[in-house]
Amino acid sequence: EVQLVESGGGSVPPGGSLRLSCGASGFTFSRSWMTWVRQAPGRGLELVSIINQDGSDTYYVDSVRGRFTISRDNAKSSLYMQMNSLRDEDTAVYYCAKDSWGPDYWGQGTLVTVSS
Amino acid sequence: DVVMTQSPLSLPVTLGQPASISCRSSQSLVHSDGNTYLNWFQQRPGQSPRRLIYKISNRGSGVPDRFSGSGSGTDFTLKISRVEAEDVGVYYCMQATHWPRAFGQGTKVEIK
Repeated sequence: EVQLVESGGGSVPPGGSLRLSCGASGFTFSRSWMTWVRQAPGRGLELVSIINQDGSDTYYVDSVRGRFTISRDNAKSSLYMQMNSLRDEDTAVYYCAKDSWGPDYWGQGTLVTVSS
Repeated sequence: DVVMTQSPLSLPVTLGQPASISCRSSQSLVHSDGNTYLNWFQQRPGQSPRRLIYKISNRGSGVPDRFSGSGSGTDFTLKISRVEAEDVGVYYCMQATHWPRAFGQGTKVEIK
C-alpha cells in the first residue's frame, strides 16, 4: 500500500522559513517523480513544485520560484520542501504526492500558516 | 500558460441520477508522445484529493465504474452514472501535458 506522510508544517511569521518533509513507502520511491501541491483555505489546488527521479530536474510555480527548494533523498525515501521568505499567501495545506503524469497518490497534508 | 475552465462550479444532484462535469482547456492537451494527459480528481470533505481518472478515460485503482471520463483535444467530461451519497465533494480536472500544470477551479457536487 502506498503511504505518504508529511510533517514540518506549523505557524511562522512573514519572512520566516519552514522545511517540510514527506516519508514514502509502498512503492519504488527512487523511480518516481514527486510533487508538492498546496491548497489555501477554502480554495482550489495548485501544483507548487515537482522533481524527477534523481533530483536533476525540478519545476516551480512562478509565485514560489527563488524562495522554495524541492529536494529528495532516495536512500531515505523522503521528499523535502525548504520554504524561505514566507508570505501570507503561502498559507495552505501542503500535500506531498507521487506523480505519474499527474498526482496519483497523495498524503494527508500538513498545514502551513504564515501570520504575524 | 494553459487555463482549465470547469462548468458548472456547483452541481446539485439527486441520489441515483446521473451527473456530468465539463472541463475545457485553453489549448490542446495532446502531448508530443500522442497521449492526452488529462486527469480528474475527487476531494471529499475533510479529505485529501484522490485521482479518479487519468489520460482522459482510465480509471484509477479502486475507482468505481460509475465514474467515466471522455473527450479529446480541449474538451473533456467527467460523468457519474448514478450519484451516491459518498460522491459528495469537489471535483477537479488537471492537465499534465504542458508546463506549468494546471487545475480547474473545481466543481462542488452536493445532494439536492
